[in-house]
Amino acid sequence: GAGVSQTPSNKVTEKGKYVELRCDPISGHTALYWYRQSLGQGPEFLIYFQGTGAADDSGLPNDRFFAVRPEGSVSTLKIQRTERGDSAVYLCASSLAAGNLGGYTFGSGTRLTVV
Amino acid sequence: TQLLEQSPQFLSIQEGENLTVYCNSSSVFSSLQWYRQEPGEGPVLLVTVVTGGEVKKLKRLTFQFGDARKDSSLHITAAQPGDTGLYLCAGLITGGSNYKLTFGKGTLLTVNP
Repeated sequence: GAGVSQTPSNKVTEKGKYVELRCDPISGHTALYWYRQSLGQGPEFLIYFQGTGAADDSGLPNDRFFAVRPEGSVSTLKIQRTERGDSAVYLCASSLAAGNLGGYTFGSGTRLTVV
Repeated sequence: TQLLEQSPQFLSIQEGENLTVYCNSSSVFSSLQWYRQEPGEGPVLLVTVVTGGEVKKLKRLTFQFGDARKDSSLHITAAQPGDTGLYLCAGLITGGSNYKLTFGKGTLLTVNP
């Protein structure tokens, strides 16, 4: 596609439920990144993939968060037993390769609200 | 502790004024990027600076990377209402095969007509 696509754009879920957030990167981009952005803050790094493997998952806050990219393209961020503190905008970005100086292309994000 | 400190956090100015936004760190970056983000959208890359002391211009925007590659500034000349948005600096620290782009908290700029 022309850009990074994230679905759904908005998700409201009840505390304790499981959610999946999807990211469809730009075709041919081997690196894919997940960030979380709270109101009034800059994006906070969660995890990045180079191909199918998670190259750095040091930003995942706890074991309720997990992400996969099984075929090296689409990625899914999975959150188990959601908590109100998980409410934020989850941003996905992709780049030709990790550390690419051309920068990252971001999607519009998924706004997650846990009630 | 925030790796990248941006200042000011908020800035409200009149159309036609000049402004400077700062991005500071105690860490050395292999490159530093500036992004602009509008409500409901993801950040959009404005520029990447790589070399210490580098200056890049993008129309009315001037970006500078510090000599020691620890800080950067963004200067906007004759600001316009269309410049309104959240300006984010992001530093790339490379270590081995690890590439992690870390963002500052951003500067929320409002340009009033």
